[in-house]
Amino acid sequence: DSGVTQTPKHLITATGQRVTLRCSPRSGDLSVYWYQQSLDQGLQFLIQYYNGEERAKGNILERFSAQQFPDLHSELNLSSLELGDSALYFCASSSRIGVSPLHFGNGTRLTVT
Amino acid sequence: AQSVTQLGSHVSVSEGALVLLRCNYSSSVPPYLFWYVQYPNQGLQLLLKYTTGATLVKGINGFEAEFKKSETSFHLTKPSAHMSDAAEYFCAVSKGSGSARQLTFGSGTQLTVLP
Repeated sequence: DSGVTQTPKHLITATGQRVTLRCSPRSGDLSVYWYQQSLDQGLQFLIQYYNGEERAKGNILERFSAQQFPDLHSELNLSSLELGDSALYFCASSSRIGVSPLHFGNGTRLTVT
Repeated sequence: AQSVTQLGSHVSVSEGALVLLRCNYSSSVPPYLFWYVQYPNQGLQLLLKYTTGATLVKGINGFEAEFKKSETSFHLTKPSAHMSDAAEYFCAVSKGSGSARQLTFGSGTQLTVLP
């Protein structure tokens, strides 16, 4: 158990809809990362937050947004969903000290129909 | 820019045989390198990491990797494969600095262990 909790585990929705994925980091971890895993794109870094502030952006679409709340949990919002957004979305967290590794949740599998 | 290349998207070995998964990196600065494993329907789990110091790094489940700067490689090995090692393995390099660090992953290698 990594200590990172993601909900829901599975999400099925229709094109054009909006969904919110939730992540609770490991206790004490200030950084939260979002990754998208798909068969054709592999593991793609989307966005990173550190103690409530956005710190780095990767290949995140404009239709996607995220935030990290004062209690350090994070939410990834996906809107105007397209079939191609179907993927596994992972949240990971890390501590602030040195080059600490990322600890991954078990992911949310999003299916857009 | 830092990136990693994993050679071989699928590797099959017999149970008890040597496991060798290849990873090459490109980095303009000394890299921080990681290997992660992903079992079906699970998140990624850290196997081992190299930051500084000893170039031979030992990880969990009997895996180890050697950082070779001259070859820009960080190959993952295990002397004797076990059926439970069947999974997908990802090499990753850390980019960024300070609190704005993130991992860039390779495309992954699916390891099959044959009985």
